[in-house]
Amino acid sequence: EDQVTQSPEALRLQEGESSSLNCSYTVSGLRGLFWYRQDPGKGPEFLFTLYSAGEEKEKERLKATLTKKESFLHITAPKPEDSATYLCAVQTPNTGGFKTIFGAGTRLFVKA
Amino acid sequence: DGGITQSPKYLFRKEGQNVTLSCEQNLNHDAMYWYRQDPGQGLRLIYYSQIVNDFQKGDIAEGYSVSREKKESFPLTVTSAQKNPTAFYLCASCGNTDTQYFGPGTRLTVL
Repeated sequence: EDQVTQSPEALRLQEGESSSLNCSYTVSGLRGLFWYRQDPGKGPEFLFTLYSAGEEKEKERLKATLTKKESFLHITAPKPEDSATYLCAVQTPNTGGFKTIFGAGTRLFVKA
Repeated sequence: DGGITQSPKYLFRKEGQNVTLSCEQNLNHDAMYWYRQDPGQGLRLIYYSQIVNDFQKGDIAEGYSVSREKKESFPLTVTSAQKNPTAFYLCASCGNTDTQYFGPGTRLTVL
């Protein structure tokens, strides 16, 4: 069964304390992996798309990496405004097209 | 500004009542999606449409209905057959890339 698992469920960091969020996946084939940021009560905001193992993308304090089994979202020297839920989604081929499977998310809290 | 809008932001439903959530996009995207988000769970697909006048059931379509009469619009109706409708509903659209872009969401509460 296709599955996307994010860990940890919640992460509490001090400002400036770098860390990583994990997204592991088991799918029949990877078309693309997406990272989103979601603030409370709002829709997810697109961050990155990764397509193949070894690919990396960066944006400000965030860096996403991809292997054949998982993706990491590295947060360098986080600030309180980075506090949000980070969602991972995997797109995989499906009958007649493709489907997108979302993980449950990691809630990040950054304390000043 | 290009984007996706959803209305209303908050919606309250009484028992036995049908309610309709609006989703509009001006991104010229062909594909549109409706998801349901519950605490501690990943987004679950309700319905999707890849072209005007065509739509497909997602994983949890029971108790919901949609229409796609215009490229820009993809309204979702939550019918009285949906027994547990309280949730955060998200609409998304997708163009030539594989990336889905989301609207701000509608929070539906059953009274």
